[in-house]
Amino acid sequence: AQKITQTQPGMFVQEKEAVTLDCTYDTSDPSYGLFWYKQPSSGEMIFLIYQGSYDQQNATEGRYSLNFQKARKSANLVISASQLGDSAMYFCAMRGITSGTYKYIFGTGTRLKVLA
Amino acid sequence: NAGVTQTPKFRVLKTGQSMTLLCAQDMNHEYMYWYRQDPGMGLRLIHYSVGEGTTAKGEVPDGYNVSRLKKQNFLLGLESAAPSQTSVYFCASSRPVAGGNNEQFFGPGTRLTVL
Repeated sequence: AQKITQTQPGMFVQEKEAVTLDCTYDTSDPSYGLFWYKQPSSGEMIFLIYQGSYDQQNATEGRYSLNFQKARKSANLVISASQLGDSAMYFCAMRGITSGTYKYIFGTGTRLKVLA
Repeated sequence: NAGVTQTPKFRVLKTGQSMTLLCAQDMNHEYMYWYRQDPGMGLRLIHYSVGEGTTAKGEVPDGYNVSRLKKQNFLLGLESAAPSQTSVYFCASSRPVAGGNNEQFFGPGTRLTVL
């Protein structure tokens, strides 16, 4: 069975500082993908970044980077130079690839508040 | 392109009433999904479809039915609404991508209240 765990219900960060949002996962699928989504207070879901389990390098997208530690089964999201607009709910998600499953599993989310 | 659209945006039902939520996508995506989002529980998969005419159960399918008669549309039905189905419902779509980076594109959500 697949599982995603986000242990931080809420986080605070000062504007312009970096913040790490934790995500650990469990899967028996040897090949899988990990995703991070942002949900602002307006409610829409915004895709941020993707990491494949066989990717050699950690994924980066602008101010977002994914600290992927396969042996520890963690896929933490790092946001550098936080902005007030980064205040939102953040979800980690996973999809098995080898198994051919088309299902995504989401974590319970972390609410990030950026302080001015 | 409109992306993924959902109809309606808000709805209030009485217990026992039925309704259908419509999801439409104009990206020619093969895969479509229905999720519900409840406070503190993230997104939970209700049903999904990997192509026109096919559907499958997700994590929390009880009390819901779905249909995918056209590739671009995915309907979610509640036959007899219950207060436990009060939630925000999201539709999403994605396409097969070699390597697995098939990000999901989400609709704006439907806020459903069952009294």
